[in-house]
Amino acid sequence: LAKTTQPISMDSYEGQEVNITCSHNNIATNDYITWYQQFPSQGPRFIIQGYKTKVTNEVASLFIPADRKSSTLSLPRVSLSDTAVYYCLVGESGGSQGNLIFGKGTKLSVKP
Amino acid sequence: NAGVTQTPKFRVLKTGQSMTLLCAQDMNHEYMYWYRQDPGMGLRLIHYSVGEGTTAKGEVPDGYNVSRLKKQNFLLGLESAAPSQTSVYFCASSRTGGGLKNTEAFFGQGTRLTVV
Repeated sequence: LAKTTQPISMDSYEGQEVNITCSHNNIATNDYITWYQQFPSQGPRFIIQGYKTKVTNEVASLFIPADRKSSTLSLPRVSLSDTAVYYCLVGESGGSQGNLIFGKGTKLSVKP
Repeated sequence: NAGVTQTPKFRVLKTGQSMTLLCAQDMNHEYMYWYRQDPGMGLRLIHYSVGEGTTAKGEVPDGYNVSRLKKQNFLLGLESAAPSQTSVYFCASSRTGGGLKNTEAFFGQGTRLTVV
């Protein structure tokens, strides 16, 4: 089971770049790293996924070092609307493929 | 295209009552999940299903039962509700599961359940 560890909370100001790091020391060879975003009173939504090196989309970038034991979600120039909880997931591969564990996530608060 | 729809959106139960939460998805996904979310606890997986007719226990399965008789529906049942089951419940579905590529889970809007 690839357990993840991420900070409980982070504070930032509008216009800053925010980096949230997730540790996953027991990641399996076939596992992908996925990040979700959850706004208050809504279900989480997928924002980015990667396997190694760097992935970028219109919302965020994901940096994964060669050993894959950690990953960093980078949000460029955050705004107040980026205030949300961010979850790092590394799912189980093999037999328990439905065991999608979210954990507590990182609560990001963006201030004006 | 509705995605994932949860019914009902709100419910108040008395201790000991039973109820069923319905989750329906129209994306032909194989995998479906039920989570509960409590303040400061994040999302915790209750049960999940890897296909029609299958169910499996998640992190916190006690006090809940599930059924997946049809591929598009995943039902969560509370046989005898307790105040500790007061929570927001989320259903989700995905085409693939676990750590495989393209495991993007789509969530419903949640059901706020209060047990008094």
